[in-house]
Amino acid sequence: SQQGEEDPQALSIQEGENATMNCSYKTSINNLQWYRQNSGRGLVHLILIRSNEREKHSGRLRVTLDTSKKSSSLLITASRAADTASYFCATDAPSGAGSYQLTFGKGTKLSVIP
Amino acid sequence: DTAVSQTPKYLVTQMGNDKSIKCEQNLGHDTMYWYKQDSKKFLKIMFSYNNKELIINETVPNRFSPKSPDKAHLNLHINSLELGDSAVYFCASSQDKGVGWGHYEQYFGPGTRLTVT
Repeated sequence: SQQGEEDPQALSIQEGENATMNCSYKTSINNLQWYRQNSGRGLVHLILIRSNEREKHSGRLRVTLDTSKKSSSLLITASRAADTASYFCATDAPSGAGSYQLTFGKGTKLSVIP
Repeated sequence: DTAVSQTPKYLVTQMGNDKSIKCEQNLGHDTMYWYKQDSKKFLKIMFSYNNKELIINETVPNRFSPKSPDKAHLNLHINSLELGDSAVYFCASSQDKGVGWGHYEQYFGPGTRLTVT
C-alpha cells in the first residue's frame, strides 16, 4: 500500500511567492526524503531528514518533520519559474525481513508563473 | 559525466516481445534499483539489488527480471510484454544501506519510456 501522500496534488503560484507542499505517511520511518522531477526527466534528490530531526534547510528549501503526526512539509521560498516541477516525498521504512524500502508518494505538481 | 545512464530512452514494441533496458552508474554505489512510473506519475519500486541480495517487490510479475553483470550495471529484462507494461522505467543507485538510518539518497537515471502496442 502507498506510504506517502502529498498535498496538494497541484499548486500554481506567482514567481516570488512561497510554495508549501505537505506529505503524510502511515508507518514509522527511518528518514524522509524529498525529490524533484522535471517534465520528462528523472528524479533529483533535494533533501533528506532523519526521524530524529525536526527541521532542515538547504538553500531556499526548508523541510519539517513531525513524527507524532506522521507528516512533513517542504517549503520553497522566493519561487522561480525554474522551480516548476513535480515534487515527491519518499519515506524509508522497514519492508520486512530486515530490509528497507523507499516508498514514494504521488507527488505535487508545482507551477510557478513568471 | 552522467551519473546514472539508461538505454534506450524510448522503446516501442509489440505485445509478446522480449526486451531489455540497460542501466549503468559511475558513482561507485553498491545498491541499484528499478522503478516503474505509471501514467499518473506514481513511482513504484520493482527491485533493489546489491552484491549480496536481490529484493523483489512481490507485486512484480516474474516476467520481469534484473540482471547484474557487475556492480555498476543493473539491466532489466522483460519477457512476453503486455499492454499494461507501458510506463516509464527508472534506474537508480545509492550507497549501501546505512546502518540504523535506512537508505541514503538515491540518484536516478533519465528514464526509459516503454510503449507496448
